[in-house]
Amino acid sequence: KAGVTQTPRYLIKTRGQQVTLSCSPISGHRSVSWYQQTPGQGLQFLFEYFSETQRNKGNFPGRFSGRQFSNSRSEMNVSTLELGDSALYLCASSSVAGNTIYFGEGSWLTVV
Amino acid sequence: SQQGEEDPQALSIQEGENATMNCSYKTSINNLQWYRQNSGRGLVHLILIRSNEREKHSGRLRVTLDTSKKSSSLLITASRAADTASYFCATDAGGAGGTSYGKLTFGQGTILTVHP
Repeated sequence: KAGVTQTPRYLIKTRGQQVTLSCSPISGHRSVSWYQQTPGQGLQFLFEYFSETQRNKGNFPGRFSGRQFSNSRSEMNVSTLELGDSALYLCASSSVAGNTIYFGEGSWLTVV
Repeated sequence: SQQGEEDPQALSIQEGENATMNCSYKTSINNLQWYRQNSGRGLVHLILIRSNEREKHSGRLRVTLDTSKKSSSLLITASRAADTASYFCATDAGGAGGTSYGKLTFGQGTILTVHP
């Protein structure tokens, strides 16, 4: 069974631009969540989607948004990029609430 | 904010020795999960332990959970150089419906270095 797949793996953007990251969950998993990892703040929860609905959201500004498609694939978007948005963005999926959450390899975003 | 505190922040041992990492958290939980992360890579799931469980084993890994003390420990026995990584505990604190819907709260992690 393929794991959680994230694309792209690495990208460099300029301040003020926007970026879209993509995530394909494990087959059969309907819950997809996103995390940001930085050296200073560690791993922080961004949001979670299930059946195309956002069920939970972390404490991030509105520049961070996401969506989920009917096939459970998810995207997250960051608009008006700031230098502080440079981070590893991790996508995770699970089958049902309270079960194991599996992570992808992440997308490394560098904002210059 | 981080729910968990991990101890120690860094651990350096020789191959063959055991490694013990501890995690404390603040609120009641549904489950606690341990992950490993190699430098620059994603998180690899190790073990999930539910709030009504006290101990779980998986290969060379042993996890304990003490909900009265709000703490957990991860023991890696007979460590290998390949175990060198950062280890994180993450809690599912629950909420409406008994789950926090994909929200795990992570500790800062323990950096484990195993010398050949």
